[in-house]
Amino acid sequence: ETGVTQSPTHLIKTRGQQVTLRCSSQSGHNTVSWYQQALGQGPQFIFQYYREEENGRGNFPPRFSGLQFPNYSSELNVNALELDDSALYLCASSRAGVYEQYFGPGTRLTVT
Amino acid sequence: ILNVEQSPQSLHVQEGDSTNFTCSFPSSNFYALHWYRWETAKSPEALFVMTLNGDEKKKGRISATLNTKEGYSYLYIKGSQPEDSATYLCASDRGSTLGRLYFGRGTQLTVWP
Repeated sequence: ETGVTQSPTHLIKTRGQQVTLRCSSQSGHNTVSWYQQALGQGPQFIFQYYREEENGRGNFPPRFSGLQFPNYSSELNVNALELDDSALYLCASSRAGVYEQYFGPGTRLTVT
Repeated sequence: ILNVEQSPQSLHVQEGDSTNFTCSFPSSNFYALHWYRWETAKSPEALFVMTLNGDEKKKGRISATLNTKEGYSYLYIKGSQPEDSATYLCASDRGSTLGRLYFGRGTQLTVWP
């Protein structure tokens, strides 16, 4: 395993609600990236956090937001959930300047 | 090529067969090419990171090659085993946000005993 953990494993929410997903990065890693994988698609980059600051964002609306904490763990928050937000959410941790990224197992979000 | 594309989408082989998949990616602004192996309900496992044109990497029975000028990479599995069954993802890093990966949809490999 990669040493990257995510919680919860599965989550069911109703349209319009808010959700928080969590990611604990591998020891020594200071960068966390979040990805969304919709059914039948490859993972899509949401944003990246480095030293508690957002360091790049993909084509996702502002209702997708994040945080990174001093211990480099991270949260992904999604407000006003829509049905299309149903997906697998992956986080990946890495050290700045190093190519390798290590992924967690993902959180499966279902919006009904 | 604007996006990362992988072929075939799925592949079914017999144990002992050798197989290969293709990843095509934009050759402009190339920084690195990643290969991951992903079993259901597990974390994607990093196989290779390749950066130089002509690069060849090997890990056991799995190897990969890279052509950055024409924008493609091949992944080879020699003597496939049932435990090789997984989805194989490739992703390009264009260096705009270091570590921002552009993924293909993956090749789903099933190896029958």
